[in-house]
Amino acid sequence: GAVVSQHPSWVICKSGTSVKIECRSLDFQATTMFWYRQFPKQSLMLMATSNEGSKATYEQGVEKDKFLINHASLTLSTLTVTSAHPEDSSFYICSAPRAGKRNNEQFFGPGTRLTVL
Amino acid sequence: GQNIDQPTEMTATEGAIVQINCTYQTSGFNGLFWYQQHAGEAPTFLSYNVLDGLEEKGRFSSFLSRSKGYSYLLLKELQMKDSASYLCAVRDSRNVGSARQLTFGSGTQLTVLP
Repeated sequence: GAVVSQHPSWVICKSGTSVKIECRSLDFQATTMFWYRQFPKQSLMLMATSNEGSKATYEQGVEKDKFLINHASLTLSTLTVTSAHPEDSSFYICSAPRAGKRNNEQFFGPGTRLTVL
Repeated sequence: GQNIDQPTEMTATEGAIVQINCTYQTSGFNGLFWYQQHAGEAPTFLSYNVLDGLEEKGRFSSFLSRSKGYSYLLLKELQMKDSASYLCAVRDSRNVGSARQLTFGSGTQLTVLP
């Protein structure tokens, strides 16, 4: 199956700093990638849709100035959490859809655990 | 919008069969996925239904009734390693191209007891 990677797998930072998370599709091109956030014992919540060559589409309630998304190429999207605070501590997961037998099935990255002190 | 409901927790015994139900309401249905997620890991694909009926894949089967907005995931011959969260996700047909979003249910935490 298709492979999506994320880097870093975990990060600990101080409050007020910015953190960048990378999502890469390793063996296919993705014009669209999705960024999810998951708090403990909760489901995945879509934060934004990253579009190559254009602005990201943010879900209601997600601050675009706080969660900066850049879809730099057909294989890379980055999520930058700016001025991170403890309430931003969460599990961030990206996914990329790929054309195939399951009609653009999404392939998930392994996730990034962010802890803000 | 979409509203997806599934039980929060279930418990079953090793070797048994368990059925996890999912009901959904959507204005544009384009497929239902079941994922397994172990704590601290990303979801892994289990099954996909877009037409009514049963899809069987080894110990896992998934059923869909579009008219009822209902799906279930059936796990047979339960093993301890099946203890995980099971997520029901519905894809919306309103989005164009490859930007077809998934909306996830809250997940069902399954505990398999020896």
